[in-house]
Amino acid sequence: KAGVTQTPRYLIKTRGQQVTLSCSPISGHRSVSWYQQTPGQGLQFLFEYFSETQRNKGNFPGRFSGRQFSNSRSEMNVSTLELGDSALYLCASSTDSYYEQYFGPGTRLTVT
Amino acid sequence: KQEVTQIPAALSVPEGENLVLNCSFTDSAIYNLQWFRQDPGKGLTSLLLIQSSQREQTSGRLNASLDKSSGRSTLYIAASQPGDSATYLCAPQGGSEKLVFGKGTKLTVNP
Repeated sequence: KAGVTQTPRYLIKTRGQQVTLSCSPISGHRSVSWYQQTPGQGLQFLFEYFSETQRNKGNFPGRFSGRQFSNSRSEMNVSTLELGDSALYLCASSTDSYYEQYFGPGTRLTVT
Repeated sequence: KQEVTQIPAALSVPEGENLVLNCSFTDSAIYNLQWFRQDPGKGLTSLLLIQSSQREQTSGRLNASLDKSSGRSTLYIAASQPGDSATYLCAPQGGSEKLVFGKGTKLTVNP
């Protein structure tokens, strides 16, 4: 089985722009979660989608949003980028919320 | 709010040594706990998942234990190898917070 894939792998954006990141889960997995990793804050939960519905949301501003499609692929969007949004964005998939989570390679976002 | 602490923050050992990584968490109401490794600049690789009803799990040279009531988990690595060098993260999972991660233990195994 193919693993979790994330595109693009690297992005450079300017402050004030918006960005969309994509995540394709392992085949058969219906839960997709997103995490932000920074040197200062570590790994923090953004949100989780299951069958196209957001089930959980972390403590991030409304500039961070996401969605899930009927094929379980997920996108996250960050609007009005700030320098502090520079991070490694990781997505994880699982068959359901409380099962083993499998992570993708991440998207490295740099905001200048 | 769940808080996770991993001790030590960094560890350097000679090849072949057996070692223990510690993880403590404040909220014992968890469904499971997962151990991951992360190589520099890469994603997370799942190592072991322990359900809340289990005491331990084993995979090859790795053994993880869970004491939910005391809020502790340990990852035991036997006969360490240079390829084990990475950052090891533990993450209990419960309620609406999903996986809550510690800061990790950076392990260096010297040949």
